Amino acid sequence: EVQLVQSGAEVKKPGESLKISCKGSGYSFTSYWIGWVRQMPGKGLEWMGIIYPGDSDTRYSPSFQGQVTISADKSISTAYLQWSSLKASDTAMYYCARRHIEEYAFDIWGQGTMVTVSS
Amino acid sequence: DIQMTQSPSTLSASVGDRVTITCRASQSISSWLAWYQQKPGKAPKLLIYKASSLESGVPSRFSGSGSGTEFTLTISSLQPDDFATYYCQQYNSYSFTFGPGTKVDIK
Repeated sequence: EVQLVQSGAEVKKPGESLKISCKGSGYSFTSYWIGWVRQMPGKGLEWMGIIYPGDSDTRYSPSFQGQVTISADKSISTAYLQWSSLKASDTAMYYCARRHIEEYAFDIWGQGTMVTVSS
Repeated sequence: DIQMTQSPSTLSASVGDRVTITCRASQSISSWLAWYQQKPGKAPKLLIYKASSLESGVPSRFSGSGSGTEFTLTISSLQPDDFATYYCQQYNSYSFTFGPGTKVDIK
């Protein structure tokens, strides 16, 4: 079965760092782009960025450039999203999603990781 | 950046109704438009890609059309499982943008 499994919910304090993960299985992890999408509580979907695990080519949304870092470790089929200094406004659900191999759409989604930042 | 709008923002409908949601892009995106369904507490699910191609396993009552800047998602006969929020998503020059969403609820 093709799936993306994300790491569990996190509760952090402002200023702390965090790295969440997204592990792919059931397909060739290095052949598909993996994107990250933010959904703040009660709000819509926001594309954050995307990485190609085969060569770590990464693109960011201008809104998130410099705010987060996207990376991947192809040896363990895992993509990451990290923050160096969290803010309360980073409280959200974060989804990873696989980009369709030929199309510009996300066909497989992780279950989401809830990040709560509160003092 | 390309901006996406959707209308309506909320739609009240009954089972069996034909439902149409419109998505507009601030500039031409050719046919690089996808539609997703999201239910509360769940990840989005891909319905339509490349404006009109039905994702495998998605019921045929869902269809998409359009190109350039205006696109539509149509549900031919609304079913109880279809009450959800629907998002469009565009692709252009290594950048993706989602629309603000349309919530379809029970009339």
